[in-house]
Amino acid sequence: DAGITQSPRHKVTETGTPVTLRCHQTENHRYMYWYRQDPGHGLRLIHYSYGVKDTDKGEVSDGYSVSRSKTEDFLLTLESATSSQTSVYFCAIRLDLGSSGNTIYFGEGSWLTVV
Amino acid sequence: AQSVTQLGSHVSVSEGALVLLRCNYSSSVPPYLFWYVQYPNQGLQLLLKYTSAATLVKGINGFEAEFKKSETSFHLTKPSAHMSDAAEYFCAVSARGNEKLTFGTGTRLTIIP
Repeated sequence: DAGITQSPRHKVTETGTPVTLRCHQTENHRYMYWYRQDPGHGLRLIHYSYGVKDTDKGEVSDGYSVSRSKTEDFLLTLESATSSQTSVYFCAIRLDLGSSGNTIYFGEGSWLTVV
Repeated sequence: AQSVTQLGSHVSVSEGALVLLRCNYSSSVPPYLFWYVQYPNQGLQLLLKYTSAATLVKGINGFEAEFKKSETSFHLTKPSAHMSDAAEYFCAVSARGNEKLTFGTGTRLTIIP
């Protein structure tokens, strides 16, 4: 257990509404990530963070924004949800170098349905 | 740039038979390589990882994988399949000095009683 909590775990929302998913960690790890999982695509990186207020884009960042105002929280926002953003979203943290060499651990996932 | 190719989106084996899940990677620098398992409606659990120590890596639940640089492969094996091994398996690569983990598209393993 890497001390990762995602909320909400399940959400149904309407097209065009904003949605925020929260990832909370209890162990002050520097790196945090948001991935989405879709059939046939595996997991794809949306955004990641390497410190408070330090974030960068992944390969599927369009339509998403992130914020990290505290070490322990990494928020993913869908500015205006679309049906193509129906997916399972996973937050992850990386154990800092020197402990487990780039090992990334995942939360339990947030199932988002956009109708 | 780094990438992973998993050959076979679905693999079926009989209970007690050898499990072999294939993974080939591409990386311009020495890689870290990982196998994760995902059970239905759950998150991803780390099975094992290669970080440049021994090329044969042993993981949880009796799984192991061998790093073969000449073949750019990191195949996952288990000598004898168990019903509880039914799940989806993901291979992933992270290049040294790169904070991002790139995944393959996954292989769904079915165990036949």
